Amino acid sequence: DVKVTQSSRYLVKRTGEKVFLECVQDMDHENMFWYRQDPGLGLRLIYFSYDVKMKEKGDIPEGYSVSREKKERFSLILESASTNQTSMYLCASSTPRREYGYTFGSGTRLTVV
Amino acid sequence: AQTVTQSQPEMSVQEAETVTLSCTYDTSESDYYLFWYKQPPSRQMILVIRQEAYKQQNATENRFSVNFQKAAKSFSLKISDSQLGDAAMYFCALMNRDDKIIFGKGTRLHILP
Repeated sequence: DVKVTQSSRYLVKRTGEKVFLECVQDMDHENMFWYRQDPGLGLRLIYFSYDVKMKEKGDIPEGYSVSREKKERFSLILESASTNQTSMYLCASSTPRREYGYTFGSGTRLTVV
Repeated sequence: AQTVTQSQPEMSVQEAETVTLSCTYDTSESDYYLFWYKQPPSRQMILVIRQEAYKQQNATENRFSVNFQKAAKSFSLKISDSQLGDAAMYFCALMNRDDKIIFGKGTRLHILP
């Protein structure tokens, strides 16, 4: 069964900490995405990548960075966590075959205290 | 700007009845896909149904069907014979040629036993 795996389901971090959210897919997908999901705001795109070592800013990249050293792994980094980054983070992957849409991970609920 | 609008934040339907979730979108492109995603309380987002813009025939997947009105830029989801397992957040989504998906803010569907 193909899947996208996010390393943590729940995470609690302190303000100012550097936080790593890991995402791994086993489908050999070219494209990977990070979204944050907040009530009433839906899903907002943070960063995405179409290839290894490639990254592009989404709609809300401030306070975040990403790393894609291997095709299967796409990491989201919060350089200095702040309370307004408390959110649900969703990773997704896709192929250039758009009709399949995205495959999503289970999400990481991050709380910054 | 490309947008996806879901005007119903919450809806309720009696078990075994039919419900329609509304979605409108805006895009300047002619080649795009539309999707409905379901996010149950367990959180993993799953694809319910897809529609290619070039296809006039409305997509159907078992109890789920869409009403795609391209000129009106409308893409509603109909769920027939609603079941308790249909309770979830539903997101309407638009994918253009750049492979990025734009999501609506979601409609929370409650199923009343």
